[in-house]
Amino acid sequence: GESVGLHLPTLSVQEGDNSIINCAYSNSASDYFIWYKQESGKGPQFIIDIRSNMDKRQGQRVTVLLNKTVKHLSLQIAATQPGDSAVYFCAETSNFGNEKLTFGTGTRLTIIP
Amino acid sequence: DAGVIQSPRHEVTEMGQEVTLRCKPISGHNSLFWYRQTMMRGLELLIYFNNNVPIDDSGMPEDRFSAKMPNASFSTLKIQPSEPRDSAVYFCASSPRRARDQPQHFGDGTRLSIL
Repeated sequence: GESVGLHLPTLSVQEGDNSIINCAYSNSASDYFIWYKQESGKGPQFIIDIRSNMDKRQGQRVTVLLNKTVKHLSLQIAATQPGDSAVYFCAETSNFGNEKLTFGTGTRLTIIP
Repeated sequence: DAGVIQSPRHEVTEMGQEVTLRCKPISGHNSLFWYRQTMMRGLELLIYFNNNVPIDDSGMPEDRFSAKMPNASFSTLKIQPSEPRDSAVYFCASSPRRARDQPQHFGDGTRLSIL
């Protein structure tokens, strides 16, 4: 069936370095993608989103890249800080008119001081 | 903005008991979602509402689960009778429009433990 998955379950990055978290999706009809950050004991927090008519979108210290050809999504975090340590989820939805979000399994990012 | 508010934050009860989880969406949001998160299965959508009407409940695991949204500012998720396998973190989320256009905003969840 259709699914969204992450390549790496864990990632450790030195503080100040850049990090890249990857996500693969299988639904070719997906047209809206979201990255969420979840800290321990909290709900997923919206970071950045991108629509399928875009390849790249930038926020504050974060960039999302979308490659529709290979159905791949990535989240780049620049100059990582200890507060970036969390689990990151990608989520997607398709243009079939429903509002379901399909979430990936998550990547745990640990920033090493 | 107060964000999505869920209560209680933690619930511990014995199997067979009725459990009621509550959610107050962000004011003005007209879509509300209930999710369950476990280590084994990750985040699963249980049910969602548009304008207080249930749209898709295909994720509700069994008849022991039910959800209501009596008005735009309140929803409940009920489990009766509860079982140990229902132990999980339950999240409520809301969005202002269709999720394909607007991100869902999550509450901080209810951690449910069924003994």
